[in-house]
Amino acid sequence: EDKVVQSPLSLVVHEGDTVTLNCSYEVTNFRSLLWYKQEKKAPTFLFMLTSSGIEKKSGRLSSILDKKELFSILNITATQTGDSAIYLCAVVMNTGFQKLVFGTGTRLLVSP
Amino acid sequence: SAVISQKPSRDICQRGTSLTIQCQVDSQVTMMFWYRQQPGQSLTLIATANQGSEATYESGFVIDKFPISRPNLTFSTLTVSNMSPEDSSIYLCSAPVGTGNTEAFFGQGTRLTVV
Repeated sequence: EDKVVQSPLSLVVHEGDTVTLNCSYEVTNFRSLLWYKQEKKAPTFLFMLTSSGIEKKSGRLSSILDKKELFSILNITATQTGDSAIYLCAVVMNTGFQKLVFGTGTRLLVSP
Repeated sequence: SAVISQKPSRDICQRGTSLTIQCQVDSQVTMMFWYRQQPGQSLTLIATANQGSEATYESGFVIDKFPISRPNLTFSTLTVSNMSPEDSSIYLCSAPVGTGNTEAFFGQGTRLTVV
């Protein structure tokens, strides 16, 4: 069974801290991995990762994929209260339907 | 990026009734997807909506409970039928866009409460 697992499940940090969120996967037909931020209802797209070892960066957020060890990390530096959200990773299956398998999510709370 | 408009944003429904959720994409897409997110849970795929053919349902979801329409390449609806409190969830539609159609964007979501 295809599986995506995120850790930790929840995390509380202080503003200015750096956090690393983990996503590991076991899927039969991997195509790419996506990271999302979910604050209310709709997940907001952050990154798409397809190749190992190539860091994607957007402001204080960065992410990298390791296809050999089957995991990805999302780093957030100098955290702000606005970073408080659920962070979801999802694996895109190579089924021709672009099916997504979502992880459990990490709930991040950044306190002032 | 794509703009995906979903409505209603939220609704409170009586058990036994049905609710139809609409999703409009600002560009033509081959596939649209419907997800459910139960309280405290991650997203679970309900079905893939193909234009011009029957939707493909995931294990645990059936057409009688979640009928889907896909009349054209920019629009889809999901109906939650004969609702019970266990159907209280956030329902999300998404469409793959971008290079290789692997960047999936989401509608704003529908928060459904069944009482």
